[in-house]
Amino acid sequence: AQKITQTQPGMFVQEKEAVTLDCTYDTSDPSYGLFWYKQPSSGEMIFLIYQGSYDQQNATEGRYSLNFQKARKSANLVISASQLGDSAMYFCAMRSYSGAGSYQLTFGKGTKLSVIP
Amino acid sequence: NAGVTQTPKFQVLKTGQSMTLQCAQDMNHEYMSWYRQDPGMGLRLIHYSVGAGITDQGEVPNGYNVSRSTTEDFPLRLLSAAPSQTSVYFCASSSYRGGEAFFGQGTRLTVV
Repeated sequence: AQKITQTQPGMFVQEKEAVTLDCTYDTSDPSYGLFWYKQPSSGEMIFLIYQGSYDQQNATEGRYSLNFQKARKSANLVISASQLGDSAMYFCAMRSYSGAGSYQLTFGKGTKLSVIP
Repeated sequence: NAGVTQTPKFQVLKTGQSMTLQCAQDMNHEYMSWYRQDPGMGLRLIHYSVGAGITDQGEVPNGYNVSRSTTEDFPLRLLSAAPSQTSVYFCASSSYRGGEAFFGQGTRLTVV
């Protein structure tokens, strides 16, 4: 079974500092993808970044980067130069392929990030 | 650019009532799924579908039914609402070939 673990229920970071949000995953499928989503207080789910299991380099999207350590099964999100607008819930998710044309998208419980002015 | 359209946005039901949450996408995505979000629990998968006519259960399927008669639509039916089904529900779709999952705006359901 697929499982995503986010061990930090809440985190604080000073504005303009960098912050790392932890995510570990568990799957026996050889092919999978890892995602991070942001959910502001307004409730919508905003896609941030994606890493495929066969990608050789860590994904980056603007101020977001994904620190992918395959052997450790971790996919931490790094936000550089935090802004007040980064205050939100952050979810790590994994899409794993179960064969026979089926796959699932599984989410962690989330980390609430608060950026302090 | 509609993306994923989810209706209604808010709903109050009485215990025992039934209702259908609608979800439609216009991106020709094969994969569609329903999640419920409860405080401290993240998003838990209710049901999912990898194409028209194919559905499967997720982590928390009890009390919910789905069907997928077309690629575009993936309704979620609550058969007999219970207070434990009070939650925020999200529909999502993605291409089987990869890429991000697109989410609807969510439905806040309260069962009294």
